Amino acid sequence: EPEVTQTPSHQVTQMGQEVILRCVPISNHLYFYWYRQILGQKVEFLVSFYNNEISEKSEIFDDQFSVERPDGSNFTLKIRSTKLEDSAMYFCASSEEASGTGELFFGEGSRLTVL
Amino acid sequence: GESVGLHLPTLSVQEGDNSIINCAYSNSASDYFIWYKQESGKGPQFIIDIRSNMDKRQGQRVTVLLNKTVKHLSLQIAATQPGDSAVYFCAEIWTGNQFYFGTGTSLTVIP
Repeated sequence: EPEVTQTPSHQVTQMGQEVILRCVPISNHLYFYWYRQILGQKVEFLVSFYNNEISEKSEIFDDQFSVERPDGSNFTLKIRSTKLEDSAMYFCASSEEASGTGELFFGEGSRLTVL
Repeated sequence: GESVGLHLPTLSVQEGDNSIINCAYSNSASDYFIWYKQESGKGPQFIIDIRSNMDKRQGQRVTVLLNKTVKHLSLQIAATQPGDSAVYFCAEIWTGNQFYFGTGTSLTVIP
């Protein structure tokens, strides 16, 4: 069964360092997303991406965040200068259709710990 | 602001019993809802969805009920099994491609 894969599964970084989280969405999917889940809290939307550009972003997705689809398979989330409060699980998701019409498939997540 | 929330943060049921997990939403414009299951250390997993033009939808051992009058969503799990133990989130979409998740209910199945 096709699945969304994410790397790394866990990354520990120092505050102020740059982090890149990688995702390989399901191959025939067109819509890509990043969500964040701080420990014990709800899953929060960060950004959606379609046709090689950001389609929507939340207030959380400020200038320190960026996304990129560098090739035909990877979808990355970059955090330029990490802060302690960036510590969370970051989930990548993809869908074949726009969210209002299709299921979102999530990856296993990348745990980011900022020290 | 608009929010999706859950009535109960935790729920414990005996194996074999039915489980009901509730969710309240506040945006009457929401037109699509999904229930997700999240096991420890894993990403959310789709369980079942429902559109606002429906009141009920059934899957395998699961039923979602939508009451638009009171903006309430519920997930019923029949014959709950230990493997059902997880956190369950309802999510709604009411603008663009953004899903808004509730805070989650932790379901524990007692063998």
